Amino acid sequence: DIQMTQSPSTLSASVGDRVTITCRASQSIRNWLAWYQQKPGKAPRLLIYKASTLETGVPSRFSGSGSGTEFTLTISSLQPDDFATYYCQQYNSFRTFGQGTKVEIK
Amino acid sequence: DVQLVESGGGLVQPGGSLRLSCAASGFTLSSSSMNWVRQAPGKGLEWVSWITTSSGNKYYADSVRGRFTVSRDNAQNSLYLQMDNLRADDTAVYYCARDPAVAGTAWYFDLWGRGTLVTVSS
Repeated sequence: DIQMTQSPSTLSASVGDRVTITCRASQSIRNWLAWYQQKPGKAPRLLIYKASTLETGVPSRFSGSGSGTEFTLTISSLQPDDFATYYCQQYNSFRTFGQGTKVEIK
Repeated sequence: DVQLVESGGGLVQPGGSLRLSCAASGFTLSSSSMNWVRQAPGKGLEWVSWITTSSGNKYYADSVRGRFTVSRDNAQNSLYLQMDNLRADDTAVYYCARDPAVAGTAWYFDLWGRGTLVTVSS
């Protein structure tokens, strides 16, 4: 099974900060990676698929990069609506999620 | 509106059974592979099951294989998850989630329901 490890687990940041979350796969997943945002009590929302393709309607301050085993999600200028938990998900071999990164207010 | 709405969750004793439903609206369910994903309280996401458009293929996570059965009724625009021999570690919010591929499988999820809580406890 492919394991996905996100870092950090928690990130404290301020509005306007540039934020980067890392996701590492236990083996190459090429670019078969998605990112989701989840707010408390809500369903996850797809942000990015195929490592760097922005889902329709997602603000352009979100971007994804990487291939193989290392990937990043970047928020260029953190907005109040962005405080949430973010999950990566590989789909090279079935589906596995990372454990999540909570972005909290500093 | 395009949406998924889950129902059928509740409190059940260990060893018991429960059937979850997921009603789709605003799109034709028959065009999409569908999934169940769960989230234990305070924990991350875990993929549970996947069913292809015509029910020709069904797949399960190791943790539920042999106990859970996924099915669908395209005429009713509905997805189901029959859960048998439930255990305490099955306690979670269960989401149905759509695969965005119109033909084939994209393997990620572009539409999620709001979830239904299943609690397994005596």
